[in-house]
Amino acid sequence: QVQLVQSGAEVKNPGASVKVSCKASGYTFTDFYTHWVRQAPGQGLEWMGCINSKSGGTDYAQKFQGRVTMTRDTSISTAYMELSSLGSDDTAVYYCARRGGQYLFHFDMWGQGTMVTVSS
Amino acid sequence: QSALTQPPSASGSPGQSVTISCTGTSSDVGGYKFVSWYQQHPGKAPKLMIFEVNERPSGVPDRFSGSKSGNTASLTVSGLQAEDEADYYCSSYAGRNTWVFGGGTKLTVL
Repeated sequence: QVQLVQSGAEVKNPGASVKVSCKASGYTFTDFYTHWVRQAPGQGLEWMGCINSKSGGTDYAQKFQGRVTMTRDTSISTAYMELSSLGSDDTAVYYCARRGGQYLFHFDMWGQGTMVTVSS
Repeated sequence: QSALTQPPSASGSPGQSVTISCTGTSSDVGGYKFVSWYQQHPGKAPKLMIFEVNERPSGVPDRFSGSKSGNTASLTVSGLQAEDEADYYCSSYAGRNTWVFGGGTKLTVL
């Protein structure tokens, strides 16, 4: 069964960091990019960045440059997104999504989402 | 990287058609054929409905169709059904391995 399974909900203090995982199964992990998208409560989707699951190369949205780090562990088919210097406006559901293929530019599979709450 | 512009809401009665617009710039929607649309029900992850402007993944009903003219893409839902009530988001490739989403449109089936 092709799926992405994310880690559980997190509660963090302002200024802390959070690391969310996304485990792929049912397909060859290194054949696809993994993207990260977040959604604040009652708001729209926001693209954060992506990682080439084979090479580890990353591209980040300008808004998150310097604050986000995306990594992967190919031995366990898992991608990670770490966001630092958290503020209350980082409270959101964070999704990982699979890009459809090297020459495709859409997201054909999504994780279930991870709720990150930033609160003192 | 500004968000694409979508109307906040749209509505139609069962059996009717409704079209949702998505306006960007020549650097995203107008510059590439890589516009996609996602359906999101409350509390659920987004689901791909349309890719490459007008292509449907297998399993998506042919009631859903897409188009593009200049910097504006559109999603049309024909023969509205109750289960189509959801939020819809457009997305476009924006060059240099970056993407942008629209603000979302809440579709209500009256």
